Amino acid sequence: GEDVEQSLFLSVREGDSSVINCTYTDSSSTYLYWYKQEPGAGLQLLTYIFSNMDMKQDQRLTVLLNKKDKHLSLRIADTQTGDSAIYFCAESRYNFNKFYFGSGTKLNVKP
Amino acid sequence: KAGVTQTPRYLIKTRGQQVTLSCSPISGHRSVSWYQQTPGQGLQFLFEYFSETQRNKGNFPGRFSGRQFSNSRSEMNVSTLELGDSALYLCASSLEEPHTQYFGPGTRLTVL
Repeated sequence: GEDVEQSLFLSVREGDSSVINCTYTDSSSTYLYWYKQEPGAGLQLLTYIFSNMDMKQDQRLTVLLNKKDKHLSLRIADTQTGDSAIYFCAESRYNFNKFYFGSGTKLNVKP
Repeated sequence: KAGVTQTPRYLIKTRGQQVTLSCSPISGHRSVSWYQQTPGQGLQFLFEYFSETQRNKGNFPGRFSGRQFSNSRSEMNVSTLELGDSALYLCASSLEEPHTQYFGPGTRLTVL
């Protein structure tokens, strides 16, 4: 991705919380997104946050945005084996029409 | 509501050939974007179409082209295929602005 960075791997035990981090560099980012990709499948939109928000919660998912540090995180509570996938952070910039994706974080959930 | 569909799901071609991939967006969605996903480069934006017009374009050579029809269905064409074009090609649709995109399952292209 262009200036969107994520760590490559994360391993957690079932029932624990997972925190996936992302940093971006463009201050004109308007929306920031988290997508999930399972093997052999396309990307599934999990959640998104507008750049003037600090936090968004949606069931087991919590998104935190630190705009000053250009840092985005996704917390998955009570992680399940079905959460094992690659998670992509993405940003859309001023004109909305171009998305920039991170390289993805592979989450491995151990039983 | 049916999701984004892409055909074919898998394709094998040889160098020098050309290929056309198809994407049918979610009913009512007018914006269609295309992405190339490879292990080395990750997800890269190819182009976006809205109302049969290309609104935005990524940094890909002219061998990569696309179009959108009046029913919002979109096709992507790659001419003179190279080995490096082997990738998963993903299509995404949204209502107007691509603010919330919904992705199809992708077309896996292998160039031999």
